[in-house]
Order: sequence, then C-alpha cells, then structure tokens
Amino acid sequence: ELQLVESGGRMKQPGGSLRLSCAASGFSVSNNHMSWVRQAPGRGLQWLAVKHRGGATKYADSVKGRFTIARDESTNTLYLQMNSLRAEDTAIYYCAREEPVAVTAGGAFDIWGLGTMVTVSS
Amino acid sequence: QSVLTQPTSASGTPGQRVTISCSGSRSNIGSNAVNWFQQLPGTAPKLLIHNTDQRPTGVPDRWSGSKSGTSASLAISGLQSEDEAAYYCATWDDSLNGVVFGGGTKVTVL
Repeated sequence: ELQLVESGGRMKQPGGSLRLSCAASGFSVSNNHMSWVRQAPGRGLQWLAVKHRGGATKYADSVKGRFTIARDESTNTLYLQMNSLRAEDTAIYYCAREEPVAVTAGGAFDIWGLGTMVTVSS
Repeated sequence: QSVLTQPTSASGTPGQRVTISCSGSRSNIGSNAVNWFQQLPGTAPKLLIHNTDQRPTGVPDRWSGSKSGTSASLAISGLQSEDEAAYYCATWDDSLNGVVFGGGTKVTVL
C-alpha cells in the first residue's frame, strides 16, 4: 500500500526549532517529487516546499531561509527542518507526493499523509 | 490572500450540477496544468482532477475539470450528500516558482 506517515509535530515556543518526518511506504521518496503543505486552523492549504526527484529544492517565500526540506534514501523518509518558529506557523503539516508521471512539480499531489500538528505558542 | 481566487461557497440540491471556478493569471493557470482536491472535514485532501481534466483511477466521472485562459473550473454532476466538502484548485506559478492554491470553496448540499 502506498502510504505517507508524518510525525514530530508538537507545541513549541516562538523562536524554537522542530523537525518533522514523513515516512513513506510502497514507493521511494527519492524517485518522486515530494512536497510539504500546511493548513492553519480553519484556513486553506499552503504549499511550503518541494524536493524534486533530481534533488533540487524550492520554497515558498513565507518559509524561505527558515525551513529546510530534505530526504533520507536509506530510511525512505522526507524531512522538514523548521527554525525560527512563529505563531503563524501553527498548522497541520502534510507531506505529499507529486503524481509519478509528472515531469516536474506542479501540485498534482496524489498521496497525502494524515498530517502532524504543530503549535507555536508562548 | 490566495494567488488563485475561488468563491468561498457553493451549493446545490441532490442531483444538481455545481461548478466551482478558479481564477489566476498568465504565470500560473495560463501556463500550467490545474489540479483539484476534495477535503472532507477532518481529513487530508484527496486528488480529484490532475493535469486540468484528468481523473485519477477510482474517481467517478461525475467530476470533471476544464480550463480557459487564466481560469479553470471543477464541475460536479449529480450532486450527492457525501460531496459536502471543501474543494481546492492548485497549480505551479512560474513567477513565484512554487505551487499555489486557491482559498477553497465549501460546497453544501441543500
């Protein structure tokens, strides 16, 4: 079964750091374009970052310089390192796979995890 | 403020056809394929339409997508009570160099 499972979400104080994990099963994160998407409480979806299958990365302006997307081929896991956390980073964080036939990332996310909640509050 | 503009809500009675619009610009919808997602309350989004008008395996043909210029649409035919959900459009933006989403449309079945 093709599956993504996020973990690592918790409550953190502003200015803190957190690393989220996304474990994949049934496919390789290294052979697909993988993204992180978040959803603040009661709000819409916001794309954060993509790790292309070739290794290139791109970020939304709102997290550029603070968040880093990475992958570990040996554990088949995608990561999101989050630094300098702000209250507005409070959200459910999803990892998602771009559908495999996509030549490049375009938002056709065919597999999503259940999400992990991050709360930033003092 | 979302880069892609969707109506906040839409509604219909069972069996009706409902259409949701998604308006963008030349750098996003005008240049790239559009994708649509359904998000039921408390769940992760689900891909309904990719590459503007393609349905993933298992998605019924009640769902259809189209695009004209810098706008795209999702149509739901034969509306059912289980279609009550939020719907989001998404595409790549060549200027922003990233994926952009619409603000979402909440569909209510009357």
